[in-house]
Amino acid sequence: AQSVTQLDSQVPVFEEAPVELRCNYSSSVSVYLFWYVQYPNQGLQLLLKYLSGSTLVKGINGFEAEFNKSQTSFHLRKPSVHISDTAEYFCAVNPSNSGYALNFGKGTSLLVTP
Amino acid sequence: SQTIHQWPATLVQPVGSPLSLECTVEGTSNPNLYWYRQAAGRGLQLLFYSVGIGQISSEVPQNLSASRPQDRQFILSSKKLLLSDSGFYLCAWSVVGGFYEQYFGPGTRLTVT
Repeated sequence: AQSVTQLDSQVPVFEEAPVELRCNYSSSVSVYLFWYVQYPNQGLQLLLKYLSGSTLVKGINGFEAEFNKSQTSFHLRKPSVHISDTAEYFCAVNPSNSGYALNFGKGTSLLVTP
Repeated sequence: SQTIHQWPATLVQPVGSPLSLECTVEGTSNPNLYWYRQAAGRGLQLLFYSVGIGQISSEVPQNLSASRPQDRQFILSSKKLLLSDSGFYLCAWSVVGGFYEQYFGPGTRLTVT
C-alpha cells in the first residue's frame, strides 16, 4: 500500500524567510507526485507536479520541490514567503499502477507572520 | 479552459434529512470525476470516483451515494444525514489517460445539526 507522510502539521515562519514543507511517501512502484495549496474555505489548487525527468520542479507562486527517490521524499520549498502564502499545503502521490486514486497527506498549515 | 462548479457553497441540514450536492465540469469531455470529504485535521478522504456515465466506484462504505447522470455531472446524495457527515466536500476531475493530476472545485461546507 502507498502512503504519504507530511512530517509537520504546522509551520510558523516570518515574512520573507525561507520555508521547507516536508513530504515523504512509501511505494513499491514508481510514482507521480503533487503539491496542492488550499486557502481557507476554498478548493485545492495544483502548485506543482513531478512526473518524470528533472528532479527539481518549479511551480506557481515561486514554489519549487525536489524529488529524491533514494529518500522517497518530495519536499516543497520557497526562498522567501509572503503573508499571502498562509494556507494549507497537501502533498499527494499517485502510484504509476494505481489508475485513478491520489493518496493525500494530512496537510501542513503554513502560517506567515510579519 | 476547463472549469468546475459545485453547489451549494454552504449547507446546514438537520440529522435525518436528505442531501444532494452537485458538481459540473465545463470545457472537457469524458473526465474522471471524484468526490472527497475533508474533515478538520484529517486531510482528504476519497469517497467515490467515476470513469464514465453510470460508472461509480465507492472507496469507503458509508451513508452516502453518488451518481453520474451525464458526462460532466456528478451528484453526491444521502437519504438520511448523520452528524458524522459534516465536513467540507470537494469535487474534482482529471483527464482520462493523463497523469492523474486532479483539479478541484470550490467545495461545499456541510453542517449537520
